[in-house]
Amino acid sequence: QSALTQPASVSGSPGQSITISCTGTSSDVGGYNYVSWYQQHPGKAPKLMIYDVSNRPSGVSNRFSGSKSGNTASLTISGLQAEDEADYYCSSYTSSSSWVFGGGTKLTVL
Amino acid sequence: EVQLVESGGGLVQPGGSLRLSCAASGFTFSSYEMNWVRQAPGKGLEWVSYISSSGSTIYYADSVKGRFTISRDNAKNSLYLQMNSLRAEDTAVYYCATEYGGVDAFDIWGQGTMVTVSS
Repeated sequence: QSALTQPASVSGSPGQSITISCTGTSSDVGGYNYVSWYQQHPGKAPKLMIYDVSNRPSGVSNRFSGSKSGNTASLTISGLQAEDEADYYCSSYTSSSSWVFGGGTKLTVL
Repeated sequence: EVQLVESGGGLVQPGGSLRLSCAASGFTFSSYEMNWVRQAPGKGLEWVSYISSSGSTIYYADSVKGRFTISRDNAKNSLYLQMNSLRAEDTAVYYCATEYGGVDAFDIWGQGTMVTVSS
């Protein structure tokens, strides 16, 4: 199972919006609505930000939103804040009854 | 408080073995599926293995199939990962994680335990 494809880095200024893409195949992202997004700060465990493509767990800011079109999922962060600077990973359930992650995207808040 | 705490990491030589543990608290462990996810230094996340709540269904990533064994003891609220024939590329922080909140994703993670495979 190959890793999902994410841009290595994205950046934005405080208050702006950014979007991170996550491209897979019909065997994972395109085949299931089980796409999730995780935020990871250095030295910390990942934190779930989005599940089932577009749902936010309790406690996650509504500045975070998710969507999917075909084999590509996207995470959008609006109103960027300094605390959003972190690594972001997408994940999808697969037809092999496994989970696959993206390679990760480093978000820099300028 | 819902919590997962991993232990058992350390330095091991190539070809060696190690057993990781994950202690669960604050929830009914026996009702939840569990997973191991790892992260090599400076790299991304990699799903390793899954076990159903009863332990009857198990899946592995191709990279560890035949070398790693996942198991659980619901009476002890514990998850395990037996790692044999370890390779340098198995060096990583190993996290246990679960789909606790009824979501199809990993919403509860442990703090991780570091495994280093080196001579």
